[in-house]
Amino acid sequence: GQQVMQIPQYQHVQEGEDFTTYCNSSTTLSNIQWYKQRPGGHPVFLIQLVKSGEVKKQKRLTFQFGEAKKNSSLHITATQTTDVGTYFCAGWDSNYQLIWGAGTKLIIKP
Amino acid sequence: DTEVTQTPKHLVMGMTNKKSLKCEQHMGHRAMYWYKQKAKKPPELMFVYSYEKLSINESVPSRFSPECPNSSLLNLHLHALQPEDSALYLCASSQESGYRSTDTQYFGPGTRLTVL
Repeated sequence: GQQVMQIPQYQHVQEGEDFTTYCNSSTTLSNIQWYKQRPGGHPVFLIQLVKSGEVKKQKRLTFQFGEAKKNSSLHITATQTTDVGTYFCAGWDSNYQLIWGAGTKLIIKP
Repeated sequence: DTEVTQTPKHLVMGMTNKKSLKCEQHMGHRAMYWYKQKAKKPPELMFVYSYEKLSINESVPSRFSPECPNSSLLNLHLHALQPEDSALYLCASSQESGYRSTDTQYFGPGTRLTVL
């Protein structure tokens, strides 16, 4: 079936280091959304990407949507403790099904 | 108001109990959703209501029974659950119809359910 693969599953970083998570779909997506879920919390919408090759920035976060609309990435520059959580991508496929990635958990090393 | 509220926050129930989860939104959204989320997993879609009608049921067991009394409210009635049903139950809403729509979904804080 249709899948969105998200890697890595976990990423440990020192505070101040960068963080990147990647999503790859087996099919073309009409758009892709990114959510953040803090420990013990619920998914919170971050951004939606619609256009091929689109790049959007939110302060230290940079989101990209691939040219073929099959892959996306989220990059955080100079991580802070407030960035801790699990980042999910979720893509809408051509059948209007929302397919979720497995999530990448960002862990800040003490 | 961009908030989806859910009650209760936590629920512990036995396998013979009947309980209900409640969800409310006042954003004028016409699509509402129930998701189940197990630890370390993404949310898993259970039901979609579009304009107060059930539009998607993702093969959920009948011990889960959704209800949409009006456009702002969504309930999930629980009966004869199993321990493996323990999870975080999330409600979400989006502006347009859930069917053939790619609108952003706004999630409530969830109900953490434990079935003993």
